[in-house]
Amino acid sequence: AQSVAQPEDQVNVAEGNPLTVKCTYSVSGNPYLFWYVQYPNRGLQFLLKYITGDNLVKGSYGFEAEFNKSQTSFHLKKPSALVSDSALYFCAVRDFSASKIIFGSGTRLSIRP
Amino acid sequence: EAGVTQFPSHSVIEKGQTVTLRCDPISGHDNLYWYRRVMGKEIKFLLHFVKESKQDESGMPNNRFLAERTGGTYSTLKVQPAELEDSGVYFCASSQRRDPTDTQYFGPGTRLTVL
Repeated sequence: AQSVAQPEDQVNVAEGNPLTVKCTYSVSGNPYLFWYVQYPNRGLQFLLKYITGDNLVKGSYGFEAEFNKSQTSFHLKKPSALVSDSALYFCAVRDFSASKIIFGSGTRLSIRP
Repeated sequence: EAGVTQFPSHSVIEKGQTVTLRCDPISGHDNLYWYRRVMGKEIKFLLHFVKESKQDESGMPNNRFLAERTGGTYSTLKVQPAELEDSGVYFCASSQRRDPTDTQYFGPGTRLTVL
């Protein structure tokens, strides 16, 4: 069965520092991996995805994610955090049947000024 | 291009009542999905439409939930009768292709509270 784990419920970072939000996955077959963000009182917004090719994927708002096949990880990163990055972040894997997305439990990112 | 829209944004009902949620996908997207997040837990898949046909409804929790997509445009999700455990946020998403690499775009969600 396909699954996604986000080991941290909350990540706290000072503004201007680099941030990492961790994600590991378990899939059979090729992994199709996604990051979504939910800002307060907003819906889920697509950030980036890994399908194939370069292991470093760049997305919206300066975020990037690194696919690591040997460690089955897809960590979200940003070189310099902004207070406006504070939100709930979800890692996800696409089911091979092409229907459902399987989400992690979410990580709340808090950036302090 | 307009995104996925959902109505209402919030709904508060009493146990035993009926509620109908609506989702309008991005124009031209044949694939429409319903998900929900209950009690701050994981976001879980409910079902998938391709045009007006139900492709996968393996996530529907029980027969109190009925989803329709007549005409292959907007979709409705009816909960009848609602129970306390149905409270949560219901998200709708759409995508252009039925392809695991295609991005699903989500709406703002409907927050359902059952008292």
